[in-house]
Amino acid sequence: SAVISQKPSRDICQRGTSLTIQCQVDSQVTMMFWYRQQPGQSLTLIATANQGSEATYESGFVIDKFPISRPNLTFSTLTVSNMSPEDSSIYLCSVEGQSGTEAFFGQGTRLTVV
Amino acid sequence: GESVGLHLPTLSVQEGDNSIINCAYSNSASDYFIWYKQESGKGPQFIIDIRSNMDKRQGQRVTVLLNKTVKHLSLQIAATQPGDSAVYFCAETRGFQKLVFGTGTRLLVSP
Repeated sequence: SAVISQKPSRDICQRGTSLTIQCQVDSQVTMMFWYRQQPGQSLTLIATANQGSEATYESGFVIDKFPISRPNLTFSTLTVSNMSPEDSSIYLCSVEGQSGTEAFFGQGTRLTVV
Repeated sequence: GESVGLHLPTLSVQEGDNSIINCAYSNSASDYFIWYKQESGKGPQFIIDIRSNMDKRQGQRVTVLLNKTVKHLSLQIAATQPGDSAVYFCAETRGFQKLVFGTGTRLLVSP
């Protein structure tokens, strides 16, 4: 299994500002995923990040709002830009397991926008 | 559209009982179905998965059943313990391109 560390674990931000969330994995992985989990709801995929290429965004998510970096095989960042209270959610980083059939998740970043 | 959903948002059981958490899906092209457990303040934790060509798979105290005819997935937890209290999500994946999560069921286990 992979060990995933996310930073920060939580933050309270002012509307209009941006927050960058970091995801560090203890092993090299090809694919990294960013999810959003709104309060009391399920997880929704934001984008898939592969090293050396632009992230692939799901419907309803755009690069200007959620820019992603993937500089190497163990690290990725997700930025939540120009935040509004509607962006208050848990943001989770995930990586593919070696079997290719499961995903490991970080503990998440709980974001509150005021 | 494609969706993965759950029948019951909250399930309350007594310690020692067996728990059954259900999930309905709509996309018959999925390769795998996965159950995750999410405890408060933590990310989802993999429990068990099942291939689309299987009907049943057993793990330690857990069993997943897949009924492709009615597009239904269930997670059975034997001898439920207070430590099993969490939110359980089913998810589907096709070639592991991405995971589509269900809405989640909260399991409450009373001592």
